[in-house]
Amino acid sequence: GQNIDQPTEMTATEGAIVQINCTYQTSGFNGLFWYQQHAGEAPTFLSYNVLDGLEEKGRFSSFLSRSKGYSYLLLKELQMKDSASYLCAVRDAGNNRKLIWGLGTSLAVNP
Amino acid sequence: DAGVTQSPTHLIKTRGQQVTLRCSPKSGHDTVSWYQQALGQGPQFIFQYYEEEERQRGNFPDRFSGHQFPNYSSELNVNALLLGDSALYLCASSRGAEPPEKLFFGSGTQLSVL
Repeated sequence: GQNIDQPTEMTATEGAIVQINCTYQTSGFNGLFWYQQHAGEAPTFLSYNVLDGLEEKGRFSSFLSRSKGYSYLLLKELQMKDSASYLCAVRDAGNNRKLIWGLGTSLAVNP
Repeated sequence: DAGVTQSPTHLIKTRGQQVTLRCSPKSGHDTVSWYQQALGQGPQFIFQYYEEEERQRGNFPDRFSGHQFPNYSSELNVNALLLGDSALYLCASSRGAEPPEKLFFGSGTQLSVL
């Protein structure tokens, strides 16, 4: 079957670093996406990983291990505006390349 | 450069009614995907349109149908509305039907079924 697991909620302090994990089980794999969604707004693209390793983009980095079915999103120098839901999505190559979405991790950044 | 636009932003319907939601993709994009997002859930894929044809479909009943026009805009139709259809309906556009396409989402239509 297909399954994406992420923690439901996380809290962190402004200026700190937080790691949001995502594990997946799909019949195939053709890339993993991270999206950010502020309350009441549309998701916005953060990162895409298809090969193992770390992709760095400013304060945000995303890591992928295909053999472990595991990814994480790393947010550095947290700001209050980073309070949002972070969605992990996997493109399932074995399922007509559909995007399978996790339920999202709600991150609260406290002062 | 206009992003993805959706209309209406909010809609209230009663059970059994029909609804049509509209989406205009980002300039330069030709593929439109529709998602249903219930409160506190991740987006659930409904279907994708490319070249005016439904290319992929998620696990939604036939009450959910769609259309793509020559200008790449799209409509989502839901017939015989149920209370459980209450959700945020998101439209996402991308260029081409092949991955890895980065999705650009519209702000969504909040549908309430009473």
